[in-house]
Amino acid sequence: GAVVSQHPSRVICKSGTSVKIECRSLDFQATTMFWYRQFPKQSLMLMATSNEGSKATYEQGVEKDKFLINHASLTLSTLTVTSAHPEDSSFYICSALNPDGHYGYTFGSGTRLTVV
Amino acid sequence: AQSVAQPEDQVKVAEGNPLTVKCTYSVSGNPYLFWYVQYPNRGLQFLLKYITGDNLVKGSYGFEAEFNKSQTSFHLKKPSALVSDSALYFCAVRDTAGGFKTIFGAGTRLFVKA
Repeated sequence: GAVVSQHPSRVICKSGTSVKIECRSLDFQATTMFWYRQFPKQSLMLMATSNEGSKATYEQGVEKDKFLINHASLTLSTLTVTSAHPEDSSFYICSALNPDGHYGYTFGSGTRLTVV
Repeated sequence: AQSVAQPEDQVKVAEGNPLTVKCTYSVSGNPYLFWYVQYPNRGLQFLLKYITGDNLVKGSYGFEAEFNKSQTSFHLKKPSALVSDSALYFCAVRDTAGGFKTIFGAGTRLFVKA
């Protein structure tokens, strides 16, 4: 079945630095990927829709200059948290639309970001 | 606007008993409905989906869900719960009237006691 690999699984960074999270579709091409943020004991909040070869579509309230998304190939989307602050600490999850045409999604295993 | 509600923050059942995790939805067009499960510090795993056809959908790990259009519900069920089913469950809906955006419910934590 479809597999999405997300890396790193955990990252700790200092305030003011930038962190890049990668999301790869391993055995299929993903023209559309999604980035979510999940707060403790809360649901997933869609941050942006990443489209290969074009600009990402950000949800209302998400700072596009803060959360840079690049989808340069059909198998890779990256989320860069720029000038990270402690309030950016969260669990970030990517997903890709399944290639089987049945409208489901395959999720990455998530990245736990801690900004100190 | 589309929305999905999971009215219970948590559900507790004894191992071997049937379980139900509730979900209701609101969309403007026809719904695509999904259930996902999440284990601690992991991404979401797909359980099952309803797109069209039979209202009773069977999915992974013995789970099933029943689509009820009149009640706009899509409850997740399992005839006999296992301790290993303990996890966080998300219902999700995609409105066929608009793109690929999927909205997730708040999640229901399932506790299965031995």
